[in-house]
Amino acid sequence: QVKLQESGPGLVKPSQTLSLTCSVSGGSVTSGSYYWSWIRQPAGKGLEWIGRFYNTGSTNYNPSLESRVTMSLDTSNNHFSLRLRSVTAADTAVYYCARSPYGGLKEDIFDYWGQGTLVTVSS
Amino acid sequence: DIQMTQSPSSLSASVGDRVNITCRASRTITKYLSWYQQKSGKAPKLLMYTTSSLQSGVPSRFSGSGSGTDFTLTINSLQPEDFATYYCQQSYSPPWTFGQGTKVEIK
Repeated sequence: QVKLQESGPGLVKPSQTLSLTCSVSGGSVTSGSYYWSWIRQPAGKGLEWIGRFYNTGSTNYNPSLESRVTMSLDTSNNHFSLRLRSVTAADTAVYYCARSPYGGLKEDIFDYWGQGTLVTVSS
Repeated sequence: DIQMTQSPSSLSASVGDRVNITCRASRTITKYLSWYQQKSGKAPKLLMYTTSSLQSGVPSRFSGSGSGTDFTLTINSLQPEDFATYYCQQSYSPPWTFGQGTKVEIK
């Protein structure tokens, strides 16, 4: 059973960089069978896909955030990371990491999620 | 981006009721529509994909229908554990987008 777990600072100052890590157990981030995504949810609001990483190094980002986002894999520790630069209060949200199958009918559908981590942007 | 619009935003229903939640895409997404259930303080859980395929372990009282731009999630005989917020998501064209959610509350 694959499990995902987000970690990182819960408080980030405006204009700084938000950095989160998603640790994966029960599966490998180097598997060619999956994409690894970040999704966020402001309090009381809906879900926003931030972007995804594939083990070849290929990334796809939401155009609304693309200029500020970087995602990467750490294969030695079996985790993947999110960096969001120049944050503002509008970036305050619960951040989830999630897995989606590569190829097939379930491609780009999020079948496993982490529990989420709240990041607050405030001075 | 493809905009996803759900209706209603919330509804009240009783245990045993049949509930319909609709999702409309701003342009065709053929069959690439999924549904998620989210309970308070928890991550979303995949219920259904490609309109009507039930995710493993999801009860058969959940069903999906539609195509193109209009889709429906139906919950037959609502159970106490079904009270939650439901989101649709399109996987037809990036960026992947979600509806704003439909909260199902106890009447």
